[in-house]
Amino acid sequence: NAGVTQTPKFRVLKTGQSMTLLCAQDMNHEYMYWYRQDPGMGLRLIHYSVGEGTTAKGEVPDGYNVSRLKKQNFLLGLESAAPSQTSVYFCASVGLAGPYQETQYFGPGTRLLVL
Amino acid sequence: LAKTTQPISMDSYEGQEVNITCSHNNIATNDYITWYQQFPSQGPRFIIQGYKTKVTNEVASLFIPADRKSSTLSLPRVSLSDTAVYYCLVAGVNTDKLIFGTGTRLQVFP
Repeated sequence: NAGVTQTPKFRVLKTGQSMTLLCAQDMNHEYMYWYRQDPGMGLRLIHYSVGEGTTAKGEVPDGYNVSRLKKQNFLLGLESAAPSQTSVYFCASVGLAGPYQETQYFGPGTRLLVL
Repeated sequence: LAKTTQPISMDSYEGQEVNITCSHNNIATNDYITWYQQFPSQGPRFIIQGYKTKVTNEVASLFIPADRKSSTLSLPRVSLSDTAVYYCLVAGVNTDKLIFGTGTRLQVFP
């Protein structure tokens, strides 16, 4: 039982390049989330999903797209990376009862540097 | 979604009790209060959750007054390893997304 895993752990991109961050969970959780965290800041919600095939916008969705084709995976895409997207990205998942009643489990994070 | 307000930072010494208060004036009837802890370069992890009065587990206590407009996380006898950022979140049965605030940065000194 690996919990929540994120791939890759670290990536350097040039402005304008695209990439996809993968989040995988093996706990059969319904809810999945993508957050970004900038130095000295709290976590900001980018997008989330309440189940397979669903996605919704969070606080800071611009510049990002997501997909939840399989229940265990939640992909975060950057179509044209910008230096402002340099950040640490965290994925999280929650079970069927939802985030008010169940614990959010977080992945180890992906550090992204956009030059 | 209920907005939360916490102190930006707090300092303490090893062995002391630390109380971090969170204000959530517009908490709804069905909302629960959850606290998370985040160490540098790691994702947050769950500490404690409560609805009213007092909840205690092996690492912390959570005090919630009758009006539920605030809550206090109490860490007994902190150690250096408790240096972290602590987040207070409020969520209810209709909450699909959790919004984290800036949290409280706790620094524990020897």
